[in-house]
Amino acid sequence: DAMVIQNPRYQVTQFGKPVTLSCSQTLNHNVMYWYQQKSSQAPKLLFHYYDKDFNNEADTPDNFQSRRPNTSFCFLDIRSPGLGDAAMYLCATSRGQLSSYEQYFGPGTRLTVT
Amino acid sequence: ILNVEQSPQSLHVQEGDSTNFTCSFPSSNFYALHWYRWETAKSPEALFVMTLNGDEKKKGRISATLNTKEGYSYLYIKGSQPEDSATYLCASLDRGAQKLVFGQGTRLTINP
Repeated sequence: DAMVIQNPRYQVTQFGKPVTLSCSQTLNHNVMYWYQQKSSQAPKLLFHYYDKDFNNEADTPDNFQSRRPNTSFCFLDIRSPGLGDAAMYLCATSRGQLSSYEQYFGPGTRLTVT
Repeated sequence: ILNVEQSPQSLHVQEGDSTNFTCSFPSSNFYALHWYRWETAKSPEALFVMTLNGDEKKKGRISATLNTKEGYSYLYIKGSQPEDSATYLCASLDRGAQKLVFGQGTRLTINP
């Protein structure tokens, strides 16, 4: 089945130790998104790619970076995680940007910072 | 700043009862309204994408309505079953912001 896969499902990292979360998709969608969801809050868009074009949200901290080496894969790099970065990170895809197309989500990676 | 509100934040319903909850969004610059269901340990999955004022969509026992002029959408579940237990997220697609903005979700628990 076509799907969005996130690895790992659970990630523990130390304060200040760089960490990378990965996302892959078999849907061949143009757009890939990274959302951050802190406990009991709304998922918040960090950035998205439309093909190779990177779109950063204005309030996304510089500590968060992303790479999309090809259509299928997208990575979220947190350069120096702080305790406040502990959250669920969701990857999603869609066929188009600014459209009524639904988004397809992965199961998320829950990040713990110790 | 686009603000999407969902109420209630959590809800407990007896199996077999019907229920509904609300999503409120700014009516200006509206483009589309999405509903997603997120079961524990699974991926959020799309239920409905709605764009037209007065639109009503249905999938099995779940239906949704949309009022773009007053900025709200209702999600209805008829004859709740334990498998309906999940967090229901709505998100508004704003032309100006060019992104989906999510509400906090309504956590629904169905008691057997």
